[in-house]
Amino acid sequence: NAGVTQTPKFQVLKTGQSMTLQCAQDMNHEYMSWYRQDPGMGLRLIHYSVGAGITDQGEVPNGYNVSRSTTEDFPLRLLSAAPSQTSVYFCASRRGPHQPQHFGDGTRLSIL
Amino acid sequence: AQKVTQAQTEISVVEKEDVTLDCVYETRDTTYYLFWYKQPPSGELVFLIRRNSFDEQNEISGRYSWNFQKSTSSFNFTITASQVVDSAVYFCALSDGGANSKLTFGKGITLSVRP
Repeated sequence: NAGVTQTPKFQVLKTGQSMTLQCAQDMNHEYMSWYRQDPGMGLRLIHYSVGAGITDQGEVPNGYNVSRSTTEDFPLRLLSAAPSQTSVYFCASRRGPHQPQHFGDGTRLSIL
Repeated sequence: AQKVTQAQTEISVVEKEDVTLDCVYETRDTTYYLFWYKQPPSGELVFLIRRNSFDEQNEISGRYSWNFQKSTSSFNFTITASQVVDSAVYFCALSDGGANSKLTFGKGITLSVRP
């Protein structure tokens, strides 16, 4: 049982480049979320989804897009990378709205 | 709006000491859920406990215990007889009772346990 799988684990981008962070879960969870973790800031919610075809914005959505075409996958797209998006990104899934989150191992992203 | 405050940013103790990590929350909801997560130096996030707003019973799990007090909007976490393996960042989090509930995290407390 793989749980939540994030790829890649590390990535370096140049300012202005675009890329997609992949997230897949094999637990048939309806709820999925993307967070970013910055020093001293805790985890901040970027976007989340409550099921296939349904997404909504979190606390810090600007510069990111998401889509949810299947229950399993929830990719996060950076449209035009900026140095302020240098961070560690975590994807999470949960069985229901008040259930504990299962987190992936994170993607460490650096924007030069 | 929901808010979670972890006023302690860094705590350093010597092994076998007891340590309490504070968490204060703000919400207007009557139904809500509180969580604690642990992030060891390896970086993964590990779920520790969930408590709903209608259950004020304290919980003990081995060396870990949690004290939930609605009167002071606090959900504190105590580690008894700390060990080096307890060194980690600990996050308190809050979600409302709605169907689309979002999880709001505190900024985390870095706990260092010295041998």
